Amino acid sequence: GAVVSQHPSRVICKSGTSVKIECRSLDFQATTMFWYRQFPKQSLMLMATSNEGSKATYEQGVEKDKFLINHASLTLSTLTVTSAHPEDSSFYICSARSDPSNYGYTFGSGTRLTVV
Amino acid sequence: GDSVTQMEGPVTLSEEAFLTINCTYTATGYPSLFWYVQYPGEGLQLLLKATKADDKGSNKGFEATYRKETTSFHLEKGSVQVSDSAVYFCALSDPLGGNNRLAFGKGNQVVVIP
Repeated sequence: GAVVSQHPSRVICKSGTSVKIECRSLDFQATTMFWYRQFPKQSLMLMATSNEGSKATYEQGVEKDKFLINHASLTLSTLTVTSAHPEDSSFYICSARSDPSNYGYTFGSGTRLTVV
Repeated sequence: GDSVTQMEGPVTLSEEAFLTINCTYTATGYPSLFWYVQYPGEGLQLLLKATKADDKGSNKGFEATYRKETTSFHLEKGSVQVSDSAVYFCALSDPLGGNNRLAFGKGNQVVVIP
């Protein structure tokens, strides 16, 4: 079945540094990927929709200069958290449309970001 | 806009008990409906789905029926196991709504006690 690989699974960084999270579709081409943020014991909040070869579409309230999204190929999208602060600590999850004909979505395993 | 509502609060039950998690939705078109499960520290896994009215999705003993008349997609399992302890999210995708995104409910923590 469709697999989305997300790395790293955990990262700890210092305040003010940047962190890059990668999301790869391993056995299918993903023209669209989605980036979510999840706070403890809460649902997923869609941050942005990443489209291959074009600019990402950000949800209202999400700082596009802070959360840089690049989708340079049909199998790779990256989320870079720039100048990270402790309040950026969260669980970030990517997702891709794996089967457009049947509305299938496949999720990465998530990245736990801790900013100290 | 499209939205999904799940019953409030965590669900705690004993092993082999019957599980029901309620889910209702609002959509402009004819959405596809999903249940996802999230184990601690992991991403989401598709549990089951239904793409049209009266369809029943099933997997691993879980079932949910797409009820258009009541705009519901309740999740059920007849006999839960400790390994079913996880967070369950109801979601919809409404392609006629003009985008590809999933709308999620708030999720329900399920704890199964031995």
